[in-house]
Amino acid sequence: QKEVEQDPGPLSVPEGAIVSLNCTYSNSAFQYFMWYRQYSRKGPELLMYTYSSGNKEDGRFTAQVDKSSKYISLFIRDSQPSDSATYLCAMSARVYRETSGSRLTFGEGTQLTVNP
Amino acid sequence: DVKVTQSSRYLVKRTGEKVFLECVQDMDHENMFWYRQDPGLGLRLIYFSYDVKMKEKGDIPEGYSVSREKKERFSLILESASTNQTSMYLCASSLNPHGNNEQFFGPGTRLTVL
Repeated sequence: QKEVEQDPGPLSVPEGAIVSLNCTYSNSAFQYFMWYRQYSRKGPELLMYTYSSGNKEDGRFTAQVDKSSKYISLFIRDSQPSDSATYLCAMSARVYRETSGSRLTFGEGTQLTVNP
Repeated sequence: DVKVTQSSRYLVKRTGEKVFLECVQDMDHENMFWYRQDPGLGLRLIYFSYDVKMKEKGDIPEGYSVSREKKERFSLILESASTNQTSMYLCASSLNPHGNNEQFFGPGTRLTVL
């Protein structure tokens, strides 16, 4: 079983819709949670970062972490065609050792298309 | 801005060839990573390095080796390329293990092995 599970989609929504992207995980040691966005033929770039449980909002994007359920979400409000990309969740454990703390575990990625 | 560059965007090689993929970062990051990305499998870690001349195996190191002689440069080597190594290869770097572990990615190299 994978440590991080993410529905790969594809997900297609009309412009202006609210989008919900989700990941579940099994490793209770994960403390740092991130969402990366990857446009076609580009490398991933960090979109949102959350430490431990709670919500974080940045413009049209909201990241939620529920550690009790081992579940994280990314919400996109008023979605735009420019949001069309693959969204990857990523997470890592608290640093106990110099080398192990720097690893991220990624979900498979969800491909999102926002139609004008 | 952090910049991570990769030597080639597209590469075509033949089975059995030795292949070098180069990655350079310009922000003095300690950590560097090599991933491959495949449909249905996501990003999988091949090797990473937390210091010059230091390396650790990731989840799928078989068939690959790495070299880090200088802090800014991390090379991935396919000793004898095989068709199952056809993939998108992504290099990343991060500042240090403390903090949020944000990794900065290069644009990727799409390798085709014929």
